[in-house]
Amino acid sequence: KQEVTQIPAALSVPEGENLVLNCSFTDSAIYNLQWFRQDPGKGLTSLLLIQSSQREQTSGRLNASLDKSSGRSTLYIAASQPGDSATYLCAVRYPGYTGNQFYFGTGTSLTVIP
Amino acid sequence: NAGVTQTPKFRVLKTGQSMTLLCAQDMNHEYMYWYRQDPGMGLRLIHYSVGEGTTAKGEVPDGYNVSRLKKQNFLLGLESAAPSQTSVYFCASSYARGNREDREQYFGPGTRLTVT
Repeated sequence: KQEVTQIPAALSVPEGENLVLNCSFTDSAIYNLQWFRQDPGKGLTSLLLIQSSQREQTSGRLNASLDKSSGRSTLYIAASQPGDSATYLCAVRYPGYTGNQFYFGTGTSLTVIP
Repeated sequence: NAGVTQTPKFRVLKTGQSMTLLCAQDMNHEYMYWYRQDPGMGLRLIHYSVGEGTTAKGEVPDGYNVSRLKKQNFLLGLESAAPSQTSVYFCASSYARGNREDREQYFGPGTRLTVT
């Protein structure tokens, strides 16, 4: 069974700080890795998708990197804002498993303090 | 373009009752999925479908059934609800064609189910 781990489980930072969220996975033979944001009581919003052949993707203040050989991805959030407060999930997609299944981490709950 | 929608948003069931959750997508995606999300356990795949008329079991299929009679709809059924099925249920969809590495999953807003 594939495992995806996100550390820390919770993070609290003052507004304006740059921060890094971590995601690690056990098997490096991935198709892609996707970062999601989930607000309380809401669904998942896709933030960034990194293909296995890519090293990083950027969207606004977000930058996601991928190091397949070490089984790690990081999500960098620049100049954090209170509106960034949410749970961030990473999901890894593997070939050859059930359909196009993603394996999810349990998330990092981020609180940005004004 | 509504994306992925789920019906209902909330539901309370008594043990032993049955219900069906409906997922609809208007993106012409081939693949559709049902996940459940429980505290501390992340999202787990219940069932999935790779096309109209086909379904397959995921990681936690027991107690659930699914049907994909139309490409745009994926139904999740609970025949005899149990308290252990209290959870938030998410539907997702993705393309099957094109570059496999570029296939994103798109999620619905979720259904919060409580079984008493």
